[in-house]
Amino acid sequence: DIQMTQSPSSLSASVGDRVTITCRASQSINTFLNWYQQAPGKAPKLLMFAASTLDSGVPSRFSGSGSGTDFTLTISNLQPTDFQTYYCQQSHSTPFTFGQGTRLEIK
Amino acid sequence: VQLVESGGGLAQPGGSLRLSCAASGFTFSNYEMNWVRQAPGKGLEWLSYISSSGTTIYYADSVKGRFTIFRDNAKNSLHLQMSSLRVEDTAVYYCARGWVWNAIPYFDYWGQGTRVTVSS
Repeated sequence: DIQMTQSPSSLSASVGDRVTITCRASQSINTFLNWYQQAPGKAPKLLMFAASTLDSGVPSRFSGSGSGTDFTLTISNLQPTDFQTYYCQQSHSTPFTFGQGTRLEIK
Repeated sequence: VQLVESGGGLAQPGGSLRLSCAASGFTFSNYEMNWVRQAPGKGLEWLSYISSSGTTIYYADSVKGRFTIFRDNAKNSLHLQMSSLRVEDTAVYYCARGWVWNAIPYFDYWGQGTRVTVSS
């Protein structure tokens, strides 16, 4: 199975900041990497697929990059609605494993 | 697009439950579907995949042999039959629609989840 490791597990930042979350796969997954956002008590929501393609309606302050084993999710100009938990997921092969999540908190 | 899970509740260890996911707002028979769960305070765990026709199915090792995914395209519904339940199966269970872009699968819509508690 492909293991996904996110870092950091939690992150404190302020409105207007720029933050980066990293996700590392235990083996190469090309760009079979998706990002999801989850508010407390809510269902996850697709943010980005194929490492860098924003889902419809996702603000351009979100960006993704990477290929192979190392990926990043960057959020620029943090807004109050962005303080949620973020998960990466590999879809290269089953089981479609998720990272452990990164909780973004307001400083 | 709407996905509505149901069937969660309290079950005893060793017991069974059947979860359902009612789909609307899209042509259900054209889409792959998945089940994902989230234990209390924990991250997301993918459980199972079913192809649009139902002919291809995959499971996570944690549920293989105990859970069965199936779908009824005529009724726009997805199901997860859970048996031999364990305390560690306690979680919120989500159904998620699958889509593929340039051969890359992802989950584009999720239901609101149904809570399963396994306890004696």
